[in-house]
Amino acid sequence: DVKVTQSSRYLVKRTGEKVFLECVQDMDHENMFWYRQDPGLGLRLIYFSYDVKMKEKGDIPEGYSVSREKKERFSLILESASTNQTSMYLCASRTMGTSGEQFFGPGTRLTVL
Amino acid sequence: AQSVTQLDSHVSVSEGTPVLLRCNYSSSYSPSLFWYVQHPNKGLQLLLKYTSAATLVKGINGFEAEFKKSETSFHLTKPSAHMSDAAEYFCVVSGAGTALIFGKGTTLSVSS
Repeated sequence: DVKVTQSSRYLVKRTGEKVFLECVQDMDHENMFWYRQDPGLGLRLIYFSYDVKMKEKGDIPEGYSVSREKKERFSLILESASTNQTSMYLCASRTMGTSGEQFFGPGTRLTVL
Repeated sequence: AQSVTQLDSHVSVSEGTPVLLRCNYSSSYSPSLFWYVQHPNKGLQLLLKYTSAATLVKGINGFEAEFKKSETSFHLTKPSAHMSDAAEYFCVVSGAGTALIFGKGTTLSVSS
């Protein structure tokens, strides 16, 4: 069974803290993605990685960075968390190609106080 | 550029009645289209996908969708709603490169 796991389901942080969200997939997928999900806005792409050490900005990269040192792991970093980054964060992975299904993790609900 | 519009933010049906969730898309080339479902406090799950094969696509749990190029639509249907279908549904189009573009979601409520 395919699996995408995220390090935390719920996270509470303070404004200004550095926050790491981790995502691991066991399907040997080349592509990995970070989205944030907000009510009424759907999912918006933050960053994606099409291979190890490769990354591309998505639609809303401001305030975020990413790291992909190994194929199975894709990390999202909030350098200095702010209250407007309170959201649900979803990680996904996919094999190469635009028609392939993306597999999603369960999400991390981040609250920044 | 690709985009997707879900025409209803909320749909309410009674158990046993048909479900119709509407989606229009815009794409400069032949798109791949998906419907995902998200149950409360659960991850996103693929319901079905269209990738330029048959225009009528059957998915899991009795859902299906029809790709209509002339209408740029990809509406999701189910003949008879079940209480367990209550969830949020996302219409998705493949974007440039490898990204997916999500609609804003339709919340389906099912009453007994």
